[in-house]
Amino acid sequence: AQTVTQSQPEMSVQEAETVTLSCTYDTSENNYYLFWYKQPPSRQMILVIRQEAYKQQNATENRFSVNFQKAAKSFSLKISDSQLGDTAMYFCAFFLYNQGGKLIFGQGTELSVKP
Amino acid sequence: SQTIHQWPATLVQPVGSPLSLECTVEGTSNPNLYWYRQAAGRGLQLLFYSVGIGQISSEVPQNLSASRPQDRQFILSSKKLLLSDSGFYLCAWSPPSLGEQYFGPGTRLTVT
Repeated sequence: AQTVTQSQPEMSVQEAETVTLSCTYDTSENNYYLFWYKQPPSRQMILVIRQEAYKQQNATENRFSVNFQKAAKSFSLKISDSQLGDTAMYFCAFFLYNQGGKLIFGQGTELSVKP
Repeated sequence: SQTIHQWPATLVQPVGSPLSLECTVEGTSNPNLYWYRQAAGRGLQLLFYSVGIGQISSEVPQNLSASRPQDRQFILSSKKLLLSDSGFYLCAWSPPSLGEQYFGPGTRLTVT
């Protein structure tokens, strides 16, 4: 069975600094997607970034980028120039095509951006 | 563009009462639909998912059921609520061939 592990329950960062959130996963499959979702205090789940496993290039979306290490089964999220609005719970998620479209989520990392 | 709606936003119900939460999606056709529950702000538990009208897969046997009467409508129900049903319920949709899911605003359910 596939699993997703986020080993950092809580993190904090100063405004304008850079922070990296860790995620590891376990699968024997070769074709899959990985995602990072953000859940601010409003509790709306927002898709931050996606990475296809067959792509070697790391995905980037503005201040958000990932470090995808397929062999190590690692998928970390880097937030540059942190802003107060980045304060949220961040979830790593794994998607496998032959699982009926189900996402498997990690337990989340609560990020606080301090002024 | 696609939008997803959930209602009600907040609900307080007594133990033993019925439940009906509704989710609708606009701007797409034949989406995959999902119901999740999130307790204490951590970890999402997949409850049900649907790849088409009348097709429901249950992930966790429990007091809840789901139905998909129309292509873009997904309903979560219970005949008799339990205290343990309290939580934050999220509906999501995804395109049939892609992995990312897009979430609604959620319903906060408190069973008293």
